[in-house]
Formats: sequence, structure tokens, C-alpha cells
Amino acid sequence: AQKITQTQPGMFVQEKEAVTLDCTYDTSDPSYGLFWYKQPSSGEMIFLIYQGSYDQQNATEGRYSLNFQKARKSANLVISASQLGDSAMYFCAMTSYQKVTFGTGTKLQVIP
Amino acid sequence: EADIYQTPRYLVIGTGKKITLECSQTMGHDKMYWYQQDPGMELHLIHYSYGVNSTEKGDLSSESTVSRIRTEHFPLTLESARPSHTSQYLCASSPRTGVIPGELFFGEGSRLTVL
Repeated sequence: AQKITQTQPGMFVQEKEAVTLDCTYDTSDPSYGLFWYKQPSSGEMIFLIYQGSYDQQNATEGRYSLNFQKARKSANLVISASQLGDSAMYFCAMTSYQKVTFGTGTKLQVIP
Repeated sequence: EADIYQTPRYLVIGTGKKITLECSQTMGHDKMYWYQQDPGMELHLIHYSYGVNSTEKGDLSSESTVSRIRTEHFPLTLESARPSHTSQYLCASSPRTGVIPGELFFGEGSRLTVL
């Protein structure tokens, strides 16, 4: 069975600092994809970044990077230079065997 | 930019009423999904569809029903709303093939409160 684990229910980070949100996954599918979504208090889900299981390099999108460690089955999100607008829920998700599985989310709060 | 729309955004309704949450996408995506999410909590898949006239129940049991008569439209219906149905309902779609395999495009959500 596919599983996504996010062990940090909540985190605080100082503005302009970097923060890492943890995500581990489990699947027996050799071909899978890993996603991070941001959900502000308004409720919509915003796609941030994607990593394919066969991608050799870690994905980056602006201030977001995905630290993909395949052997450890981890796909941590790194946000550099945090901004107040980064305060939100963050969900890690995986597609494998044609199914999408979400983690329980991490609530990030950026402190001025 | 994703073109997937949900209405209503907010709905407050009394117990026993019938409600329909609308979801439409203009991207021609084959796959559509409904997720239920309590505030600050994880998403639970309640229904999905891989094409017209195809609907399946998701991981979380739900008293709601869905239909997929047209590719672009995937409404969710509750015949008799109860307070336990109070939640946010997120609609999403994804293409059969795409640049990012399996990427979900989400609507803005419908927040339902049943009194």
C-alpha cells in the first residue's frame, strides 16, 4: 500500500530564514511522482513542486527545492528565505499505481 | 493556469436539505476527484471519475453521490445534509497524460456548514 508520512504537525520559522518540511513515503511502484502543495487559510491548494522517481536531480522552483533521497524514501521540501506569505499548511503527496496519496500536512508559521 | 471552478464557495444550510456542489473544468481532463477536508486536517478522497459515465467511491466512505454525464462537469450531491457533513469539499482534475504525470489541478473549494 502507498503511504505518505509527515511527522511535523506544526513548525515555526523566522522570516528570511530557511525551513525544511519533512516527508517520507512508501510504495513498491518503481515509477512514482512526489508533489508538494501549499494550502493558505483561504483553502485552495496550490501546486509548488514535483519530483519524478527517475529524476536524477533535485527539483527546484524559485525559493522551493525538493531534497529527494530515494534510498531513504524521503522528499523533504526546503523553503529558502521564508516570507510572511509562506504561512500555510503544506501537504506532501505521491502518485503511484494511478493513485494519489496525501500526507497529513504541516502547518508552517513564519514569524516576523 | 488551471481552469477548474467550484460553486458555491460557501454554503450554510439546515439539516435535511438537499445540496449539490458544482465542479466544472475547461481543460478537457479525463480524471476528476472530490476530496473532503476538515479545517487544518488531511484530505480524504471520497469520489473519483476517470471519464464520462465512470464514477468510483474513494478511500473515505461518504453519504454523498456524484455523477459524470459530461467530461467537464462533476457535481456532488447530498440528499439530506447533516451537521456531520460540515467540512470543506475540494474538487480536482488531472489529464490522462501531461507534462507532470498525476498533477492535480484544484478548485478553490466549497465550505459547507450544516446547522
